[in-house]
Amino acid sequence: QVQLVESGGGLVKPGGSLRLSCAASGFTFSDYYMSWIRQAPGKGLEWVSYISSSSSYTNYADSVKGRFTISRDNAKNSLYLQMNSLRAEDTAVYYCARVGFDYWGQGTLVTVSS
Amino acid sequence: DVVMTQSPLSLPVTLGQPASISCRSSQSLVHSDGNTYLNWFQQRPGQSPRRLIYKVSNRDSGVPDRFSGSGSGTDFTLKISRVEAEDVGVYYCMQGTHWPPLSLTFGGGTKVEIK
Repeated sequence: QVQLVESGGGLVKPGGSLRLSCAASGFTFSDYYMSWIRQAPGKGLEWVSYISSSSSYTNYADSVKGRFTISRDNAKNSLYLQMNSLRAEDTAVYYCARVGFDYWGQGTLVTVSS
Repeated sequence: DVVMTQSPLSLPVTLGQPASISCRSSQSLVHSDGNTYLNWFQQRPGQSPRRLIYKVSNRDSGVPDRFSGSGSGTDFTLKISRVEAEDVGVYYCMQGTHWPPLSLTFGGGTKVEIK
């Protein structure tokens, strides 16, 4: 069965960095575009970034452009999100999802606070 | 970006009664390929979002047939024919028609609760 498992969340100070990972299984990872979506505490869903199956194309929400970098390793069936220059407003649960959005991970919480 | 507006914000429903959620987009969601990329998601308390409906009216595998989606252009509706206790949660619409280059956008959510 399809599984997406995020990791790497935690508490970080403003201006700090964090790298999230998403381990995929149960499907041919290299065939699918992948995406990150986040949800601030008590708030709605916000799309963050996506990456094409071969990493040729990436796209970012304006709120994270220039600070976040999405990448993937098809050999390791893994998706990543490098987050730099973190701000308090980046505090959220970060979900990875297969594009089509038929499968989501359980999410990993990122808290940006001094 | 395309703005997705859901109503109502909160929807108290009696068990066994129908429920209806509206989602309106600021632009037509008809893609140049003829498809309309409008999805509905359910997020139960403490859980990840789950896709219920894709391309306006197609139910995902395992989704009870009491859920149905309809609409066209800029106006869309999710209906629950008879609300059950397990339907409590927040429901989101999402457009993918104009993504990329624009952002993929979600509605603000509708919280369904039992009266």
